[in-house]
Amino acid sequence: DIVMTQSPRFLPVIPGEPASISCRSSQSLLHSSGRNYVDWYLQKSGQSPQLLIYLGSNRASGVADRFSGSGSGTDFTLKISRVEAEDVGVYYCMQLLHPPWTFGQGTKVEI
Amino acid sequence: EVLLVESGGGLVQPGRSLRLSCYASGFSLGDYTVHWVRQAPGKGLEWIGFIRRKDRGETAEYAASAKGRITISRDDSKSSAHLQLSNLQIEDTAMYHCVRGGTTSGYSGLDQWGRGTLITVSS
Repeated sequence: DIVMTQSPRFLPVIPGEPASISCRSSQSLLHSSGRNYVDWYLQKSGQSPQLLIYLGSNRASGVADRFSGSGSGTDFTLKISRVEAEDVGVYYCMQLLHPPWTFGQGTKVEI
Repeated sequence: EVLLVESGGGLVQPGRSLRLSCYASGFSLGDYTVHWVRQAPGKGLEWIGFIRRKDRGETAEYAASAKGRITISRDDSKSSAHLQLSNLQIEDTAMYHCVRGGTTSGYSGLDQWGRGTLITVSS
């Protein structure tokens, strides 16, 4: 199975400042199509996860443009250009190139 | 409104079986793959399987941790999907989410999640 490793596991942030989360995969997630098969999700306290970024860098519908995804191969990054209070929660990366799809352990973001 | 609603969870003894259901509204479930993701209390997300659309044969893929003990099925005529779990173990205690996946138009993320149904395995 592909292992997804996130860092840091805990990220204190300051509103208005940028933040970034790293995700590293044990195998390349670059598909022959040129797309990277990695998504990013945010789970706010007491809620179901919500999609932020799909296939590496595509922002999901309704997601604020302060969120961006980048990277290729085995190294990926989720960036928040200016953190807002509502961005707190646990962020997960997930690979979908090879079943079983696998999630990272999660990064808890707190103000 | 697009909704996925799970049901069928509850308290169950080790070794027993349970069948979870997921009902979709606000969209045509048949146009999408359906995934199941679980989350043990205080833990992270674990993908456990998905079922392809009818035009892709309705075949399923499962995580190794659950393979042999779970079966995912779907009934598009009833806008529903199901997760059958057998020989439940203590470590299967978790919230189980039904999630919408890729469509005939391509993949755009696991974009709709149900609130989940809780399975507690205990003697």
